[in-house]
Amino acid sequence: GAVVSQHPSWVICKSGTSVKIECRSLDFQATTMFWYRQFPKQSLMLMATSNEGSKATYEQGVEKDKFLINHASLTLSTLTVTSAHPEDSSFYICSARDIAVNTDTQYFGPGTRLTVL
Amino acid sequence: QKEVEQNSGPLSVPEGAIASLNCTYSDRGSQSFFWYRQYSGKSPELIMSIYSNGDKEDGRFTAQLNKASQYVSLLIRDSQPSDSATYLCAVNSRAAGNKLTFGGGTRVLVKP
Repeated sequence: GAVVSQHPSWVICKSGTSVKIECRSLDFQATTMFWYRQFPKQSLMLMATSNEGSKATYEQGVEKDKFLINHASLTLSTLTVTSAHPEDSSFYICSARDIAVNTDTQYFGPGTRLTVL
Repeated sequence: QKEVEQNSGPLSVPEGAIASLNCTYSDRGSQSFFWYRQYSGKSPELIMSIYSNGDKEDGRFTAQLNKASQYVSLLIRDSQPSDSATYLCAVNSRAAGNKLTFGGGTRVLVKP
């Protein structure tokens, strides 16, 4: 149980284009999902908290107009990187909390590796 | 001062030995603590969660929590080469937004 999927697993795009990443909880419902970014040899950095049916909460320094988050259902959150640039190349990982279980545990998706040329 | 601190390693242990990983945190209001394992190029995988002081055992893994000292540790018994990975300590504080703060991770190398 507690499986989270991400799509795509990797993507290469040209500078200036937009990329959408999907995060799905497959066997549980999640009112809250999280988006992280991880650069090589660094730890995970939280970008934003995605709340079903409401606006996402962004961490300090993360541009909300560049990283668009939509959490339209209890099993799906999307992250769109708009006008991507090479410095946006990173490993993007989502996680989700199971609303049926009263714990703070986050289950992570497999990640999406974004390369911007 | 970082909010969650770990020794970056690498921690080199012979196969079959005990690997001991430490983590300290600064937010006294933290109430839940997690250890994740991350293989190179992969996303984190949950190993253990711990919420109250003391020890919690799950298979070859034991997590230890001491809230007074703001310290959480992970022991890996009978270490195997497949345990070679980066271990991330994560701390959740509901007062601070109910989100995880990660340490920098400790790289563990288990040598056959």
